[in-house]
This record gives sequence, C-alpha cells and structure tokens, in this order.
Amino acid sequence: DGGITQSPKYLFRKEGQNVTLSCEQNLNHDAMYWYRQDPGQGLRLIYYSQIVNDFQKGDIAEGYSVSREKKESFPLTVTSAQKNPTAFYLCASSAQTSGRVHEQFFGPGTRLTVL
Amino acid sequence: GEDVEQSLFLSVREGDSSVINCTYTDSSSTYLYWYKQEPGAGLQLLTYIFSNMDMKQDQRLTVLLNKKDKHLSLRIADTQTGDSAIYFCAESKESGNKLVFGAGTILRVKS
Repeated sequence: DGGITQSPKYLFRKEGQNVTLSCEQNLNHDAMYWYRQDPGQGLRLIYYSQIVNDFQKGDIAEGYSVSREKKESFPLTVTSAQKNPTAFYLCASSAQTSGRVHEQFFGPGTRLTVL
Repeated sequence: GEDVEQSLFLSVREGDSSVINCTYTDSSSTYLYWYKQEPGAGLQLLTYIFSNMDMKQDQRLTVLLNKKDKHLSLRIADTQTGDSAIYFCAESKESGNKLVFGAGTILRVKS
C-alpha cells in the first residue's frame, strides 16, 4: 500500500533533550512537509523540501532542524532550543504540481509530549 | 499577505445540513481546498475548487466560492455522526507548492 508513515505515534521526552521524528513515504513524491498543530491554531508549517538535498524554512522553523538525504525520508529534529515543543506533528508529501491541483497527503501524526 | 480564517465550532443535528465557512485574503490563490481531520489522525483531502469556478458538487458535499468577497463554504447534506471532525480550509497559488491553512472548524453532529 502506498502512503506516509510516521513513527512513533506517541513520544515522551524530558526537557532539554533533542528528539527526532520519523517520516517515510512510498508515493514517489518529490515534496515533503512538516507541520505543527496546536489546539485552536490549525497547522503551521515548520519546514518543507521540494527535492532531495534541499529544504526551506517555513513559518515557525526556530528550534527545529530537518534533513532530506533520500526522497522517501524527511526526519524532523526537535531541539532543546524549541521553547514549547509539546504538540501534534504532521508530515505530508505532494507531487510537484506547480500550476495544478496541489494535494498534500498526510501521515497519521506524532504526538510529542515534553515532560 | 496570506490569511485564512474559519469559525471555530459548529454543532448540528444528525440529518441536517452543515455549512462551514472560510474567508481568505490572498486574491492570487489558485485552488481552495477542504480537508477533514478525524480525532488523533492526519488530514484527508475532501474536495477542492479552482478559483475560476463558483460551485462544485461531489455527492453530499457542495463547495461555493465567492471570489469577489473571498469567501468559501462547504455544505454537507444529510450530516451523519461520522462527519464529526475538524474541517480545514486551505489555499494554494499557481507558482508555489505550499498550502496555507485556516485554524479549522470543529463539527459536532448530535444524534
């Protein structure tokens, strides 16, 4: 089955620790995205990547880092510099379709709780 | 600038119609989307409309677009308890590969 997987579903970490969230897709999509979701605030874009070995900051990149060494994988590291990391994190991917319908396919999300 | 706004909450009775509203500010938006998020899950695309259309119907879903007022709505006919979820409005532009999302509308369907 084609899709996007995120692991783990729930993650607990102590304050001050870095943590990496996994995102893998087998849809052969060029573009991948990381969003953060907080209650009442919708989705905010953290980082996105339109092609392997390239990525851009989104609206709230501070305290986060990413890599895109493989087309299928776009891991997100939440560093100790992120002041309020507890949130629901969503990964998405899309085909490069500039000028056409831009459907993003979402993973099931990872809920990160920092204690 | 880019801004998408939605009302936060809507409650309807099972069998009634639901209307979820959205306003956006960017007149260069090319496509407008409605996504659905069930509890604890990712988002799923429900439907979309191209900016030169004013209406699109897909089974129980009807999307209306008023481009002059930058207003988008999603009507769900014969709303069922399984329609209870958060509904997100989003926009994209021809030149970009990013979506701008609204804050989401929580739809609660009472049986």
